[in-house]
Amino acid sequence: EVQLVESGGGLVQPGRSLRLSCTASGFTFGDYAMSWVRQAPDKGLEWVGFIRSKPYGGTTEYAASVKGRFTISRDDSRRIAYLQMNSLKTEDTAVYYCIRAPQTYSGNYYLTPWGQGTLVTVSS
Amino acid sequence: SYVLTQPPSVSVAPGQTARITCGGNNIGSKSVHWYQQKPGQAPVLVVYEDSDRPSGIPERFSGSNSGNTATLTISRVEAGDEADYYCQVWDSSSDHVVFGGGTKLTVL
Repeated sequence: EVQLVESGGGLVQPGRSLRLSCTASGFTFGDYAMSWVRQAPDKGLEWVGFIRSKPYGGTTEYAASVKGRFTISRDDSRRIAYLQMNSLKTEDTAVYYCIRAPQTYSGNYYLTPWGQGTLVTVSS
Repeated sequence: SYVLTQPPSVSVAPGQTARITCGGNNIGSKSVHWYQQKPGQAPVLVVYEDSDRPSGIPERFSGSNSGNTATLTISRVEAGDEADYYCQVWDSSSDHVVFGGGTKLTVL
């Protein structure tokens, strides 16, 4: 069974840093891109960023709202994806989901399955 | 940046057909994916690449995409289908994932 488990969420003060981890099982982790999506309380889904698999360069893409503050990385040997969040703002408060991102033949990405999410609360 | 527009809410009686739209500029040239999110749960992929269903998703869920509108159709709606539904595309011009704002499906 494909499974993704996020960890590392919690309460953090504005301006501080936090690192989320996503531990994968049930599939060949290194073959897939991985993505992070967040959802603020009672709001819709907001894409955070994305890291390609190593065969596709292992490069990253970010939403404008987090670019320069957040960094996504991966450790294929440990089957873990990371989301390093720096200079956190109150508006970063959300549930953060880790998701596997399969690629279609036409080069598009979709997101499945999703982890259960981890709550990050940025507040003083 | 590419924008996807969904109606905030759709209501349907049990046993009827629900249609949830997702509008975007020439969206018919992109692959559209749909997610279902029930309260307190993580989203689940219900349709990918416009009209394909992942294993385990009932045949009642189908999708189409043409012109400026993609549509998720849920036939023979059940109370358990009540959820938020999001459309998503990959914007190759920016290499970004884009979500619609979400549609709340209410089963009357």
